[in-house]
Amino acid sequence: EPEVTQTPSHQVTQMGQEVILRCVPISNHLYFYWYRQILGQKVEFLVSFYNNEISEKSEIFDDQFSVERPDGSNFTLKIRSTKLEDSAMYFCASRGEGNYGYTFGSGTRLTVV
Amino acid sequence: DQQVKQNSPSLSVQEGRISILNCDYTNSMFDYFLWYKKYPAEGPTFLISISSIKDKNEDGRFTVFLNKSAKHLSLHIVPSQPGDSAVYFCAAWRGSNYKLTFGKGTLLTVNP
Repeated sequence: EPEVTQTPSHQVTQMGQEVILRCVPISNHLYFYWYRQILGQKVEFLVSFYNNEISEKSEIFDDQFSVERPDGSNFTLKIRSTKLEDSAMYFCASRGEGNYGYTFGSGTRLTVV
Repeated sequence: DQQVKQNSPSLSVQEGRISILNCDYTNSMFDYFLWYKKYPAEGPTFLISISSIKDKNEDGRFTVFLNKSAKHLSLHIVPSQPGDSAVYFCAAWRGSNYKLTFGKGTLLTVNP
């Protein structure tokens, strides 16, 4: 079964450093998403991406965040200057046309120290 | 801003019995509801969904019921199996934005 692949599975970074979280969505999917889950809290929407541009973003997704699809396969989330409160599990997801059930990756656990 | 609420953080049932997971929502604009299952160290996995124009959807051992007037949905698992032990998330979206709003999840434990 096709999968969404996320790397790395765990990233530890110092506060103020930039991080890039990587995702390889399912190849024929057109819609891409990032969600995050802070420990003990809900899974929260960050951003959706379609046709090489952001289609919607949440309040969380401020100027410190950016997304990119640099080639035909990767989808990245960059946090420019990490804060302690960015520590969370970050999930990438993709969806095909008419496919209501997203496919999520296994997540990247980001720890900011 | 708890638009989707799962008020039971955990549920424990015996193997073979029915598991009922509940979810309430406040946003009447939601028109599609989904259940996801999550194992530790994995991402959420889509389980079953229901459109707001229906009141029931069934897929094997899993049935989702929607009561729009009460803004309530439930997931029934019959019979429950130990492999069903996981965190179950209720989620919803409205219109064509397909942006998921999740509940906090319910940890289901099915005891052999």
